[in-house]
Amino acid sequence: AQSVTQLGSHVSVSEGALVLLRCNYSSSVPPYLFWYVQYPNQGLQLLLKYTSAATLVKGINGFEAEFKKSETSFHLTKPSAHMSDAAEYFCAVSVKGAQKLVFGQGTRLTINP
Amino acid sequence: DTAVSQTPKYLVTQMGNDKSIKCEQNLGHDTMYWYKQDSKKFLKIMFSYNNKELIINETVPNRFSPKSPDKAHLNLHINSLELGDSAVYFCASSQGGIVSYNEQFFGPGTRLTVL
Repeated sequence: AQSVTQLGSHVSVSEGALVLLRCNYSSSVPPYLFWYVQYPNQGLQLLLKYTSAATLVKGINGFEAEFKKSETSFHLTKPSAHMSDAAEYFCAVSVKGAQKLVFGQGTRLTINP
Repeated sequence: DTAVSQTPKYLVTQMGNDKSIKCEQNLGHDTMYWYKQDSKKFLKIMFSYNNKELIINETVPNRFSPKSPDKAHLNLHINSLELGDSAVYFCASSQGGIVSYNEQFFGPGTRLTVL
């Protein structure tokens, strides 16, 4: 079975600083990996996904993530945080034929002015 | 032009009552899902339907009964509500059925509070 662990339930950065949200996965077969963002009182929105093509994936709003098989990681980064990035971020994993996403526990990102 | 819509947005009810949440998607997708997000923001799949057929039932109590009248709708009926059912319920949809890497589009959520 697949699983995802997000390190840090809460990350706080200053506006303009680097954002790094950590995600490690466990899967016995090649995974598909996703980052979703949830703004307050809203549903989830896809930021980016890895589906076995390029290991560096670029998403919306300036976010990107790198798939590292050796480290079983898929960390999310953004070079310069903006106040509007404050939200809950979820890493998720799926595999071929699984028909479902398994989510991590989420990381709340706070941006300090 | 909302892609995935849910009604109601908020639902407050007493223990033991029966309630329904409705979900509609206008994306032409063939697969729909129900997720439960608890108070700690943990998100877990409950059900998925592909072309109106139940594909996933994740050990959810049988008090929860999904119904898919057509591909665009997936409703969730809950009998004999319990305090532990309080959560935010999200509907989602995707295209491609068993293709596991397609994006899921989420509705805005229904916050259920059981008193």
